This record gives sequence, structure tokens and C-alpha cells, in this order.
Amino acid sequence: KQEVTQIPAALSVPEGENLVLNCSFTDSAIYNLQWFRQDPGKGLTSLLLIQSSQREQTSGRLNASLDKSSGRSTLYIAASQPGDSATYLCAAPIKAAGNKLTFGGGTRVLVKP
Amino acid sequence: DTAVSQTPKYLVTQMGNDKSIKCEQNLGHDTMYWYKQDSKKFLKIMFSYNNKELIINETVPNRFSPKSPDKAHLNLHINSLELGDSAVYFCASSQSTATDTQYFGPGTRLTVL
Repeated sequence: KQEVTQIPAALSVPEGENLVLNCSFTDSAIYNLQWFRQDPGKGLTSLLLIQSSQREQTSGRLNASLDKSSGRSTLYIAASQPGDSATYLCAAPIKAAGNKLTFGGGTRVLVKP
Repeated sequence: DTAVSQTPKYLVTQMGNDKSIKCEQNLGHDTMYWYKQDSKKFLKIMFSYNNKELIINETVPNRFSPKSPDKAHLNLHINSLELGDSAVYFCASSQSTATDTQYFGPGTRLTVL
């Protein structure tokens, strides 16, 4: 069973629209949850890390929320730009996996000019 | 300043060969990781070292052998390469445990012919 899930796998929006990316996890006792960005052929860039005691974390146009009880995190990107086109991955240390960082499959985002 | 660096960026080799990938971090972190990203873009942890000690060893064929000469370096040696080893391998580091923010290298794309 996939412990961290991201749906949809791909998303296309026109420039200026707000982006909403979803992440679901099975372990409500996670320590934290991280959102990463991956550009094609590149490594991962950490965007935000939300501790289990936090409900949300903000950085510029990015806002990530965490609801442990429902096993969900959402990444909001306001006023999307073509430069936001990338794959966004969420990851959490899952207890059932020995607290190893477990990744979702990612959501590939395309922001059309 | 490059925080986590990997060499080489690309590696193309024949089946049966032995190859190594090197990783270095200049963040002063205690823990380093190797991840494998397959063709479906799923990222999975392979190994983790804390202060040169192996702490995570996932179900990885013993053809894969990590080596950590010091806490700033974690190398990955692969013997008798197989077609299924083709993937992107990422190195990462964190301050101490997997619950800390992880910083990723740019990846090494391995192609086995």
C-alpha cells in the first residue's frame, strides 16, 4: 500500500491561476511533512517543511497546510507563473517505514503562459 | 556554493561493469542518504549513514555497496551492473535524522546498456 500519495499525477493551469496540490499519508503520527520541487533533469529543492505541531507554513507565494487527523497536506501556489512548472513532491518520515523519508509519486505541473 | 554535489552527472556503461558514484556535502550535516528514482519517478531510499555508520539499509541487492570515508562523503559502488539498475541516483544530507530537512544533490543518471 502506498503510504504517501499525490493526486493528480499531472496538472495544467493557465498563468495567474492559483495552484492546489494534494498529498495524502497513512500515518497520522508523522513528525513533519516536506514539500519539494523537482525540475526536469535536476535534483530536489526543499520548499517547505511543516512540523507536526504546525497547521501551516508560508514562504512567499507558497503556503502549505497540514491536517494530521485526516492525513492530508495541501500546497497552495498563488498567482502561478510559467516558472512554477515543475514536479512537486511531498515526503514524510513514516513510522511504519522506520521513520525513513517516504515520497509521494509527485504532481507534474504545467503553467501555460 | 554547492551544498550537496555528486559526480558524475551522467554515467553510461555496459552490463556487467562496476561503477562508482561520489557524493559530498559541505553543510556540516551528520547524516547522508542515497535514493533511487526509477523511470516512473518514484523516489526510494537505499541507504543512510550517520557519522560514517550505516543506519538504514533497504532491501537493496548486495551488488550495491555504500562507503562513507568521513561524514562529508558518501560514495556508492555498484558491481556487475544490470539493465534494471538504470535510474537516477540522488544523494542527500540532513542535520541528524530523517525528520530534519533533507537537502538533495543534482542526481546521477545511470544508463546501463
